[in-house]
Amino acid sequence: DTGVSQDPRHKITKRGQNVTFRCDPISEHNRLYWYRQTLGQGPEFLTYFQNEAQLEKSRLLSDRFSAERPKGSFSTLEIQRTEQGDSAMYLCASSSTLDGSAKNIQYFGAGTRLSVL
Amino acid sequence: GESVGLHLPTLSVQEGDNSIINCAYSNSASDYFIWYKQESGKGPQFIIDIRSNMDKRQGQRVTVLLNKTVKHLSLQIAATQPGDSAVYFCAENIWSGYSTLTFGKGTMLLVSP
Repeated sequence: DTGVSQDPRHKITKRGQNVTFRCDPISEHNRLYWYRQTLGQGPEFLTYFQNEAQLEKSRLLSDRFSAERPKGSFSTLEIQRTEQGDSAMYLCASSSTLDGSAKNIQYFGAGTRLSVL
Repeated sequence: GESVGLHLPTLSVQEGDNSIINCAYSNSASDYFIWYKQESGKGPQFIIDIRSNMDKRQGQRVTVLLNKTVKHLSLQIAATQPGDSAVYFCAENIWSGYSTLTFGKGTMLLVSP
């Protein structure tokens, strides 16, 4: 499978615990994005990386959230001291700026569904 | 017919009908638009895209129309099939030193056999 993969698919945790999600983008895609999606809503942008550099963070990304992409390949999203309001689907997407098209077609993974009890 | 549900606008059609899903976007500076399909339990799947300098683009069974005057985008699906049942999102790309996608609320398409 050469698509975007996310792990785990589901995570149930207790309030106050820390959780970490992983995303493996499509090979050779230099951009990687994290989104959050709640029921009935479209994905909301959280942050994105170009290679290993984190270039933009949304105001939705509180200081309890941190994302890394240390080698410019896979990425992790960590949520510290989880709250019930963090319950959502966390989506990862990747795209390439190397094809010269100037498009921003993002390809999404299946997401990690987080439930905070 | 089309109705506004509690969370998502819903379009119900019969198999074989043509479907039209509408989207209003917010930023006149958006330079690029994408339609995504999201099935239950899956991530959004790319369907078709269109640049702001175009007003129509066709794919396989799908056509996207762009009206920049009224900031309106539509997705037409020909000969709708049960497998087309999903939530459809439009997304606008805004360049502000970097590119980011902003998604609309989404429309649920229900196709009856």
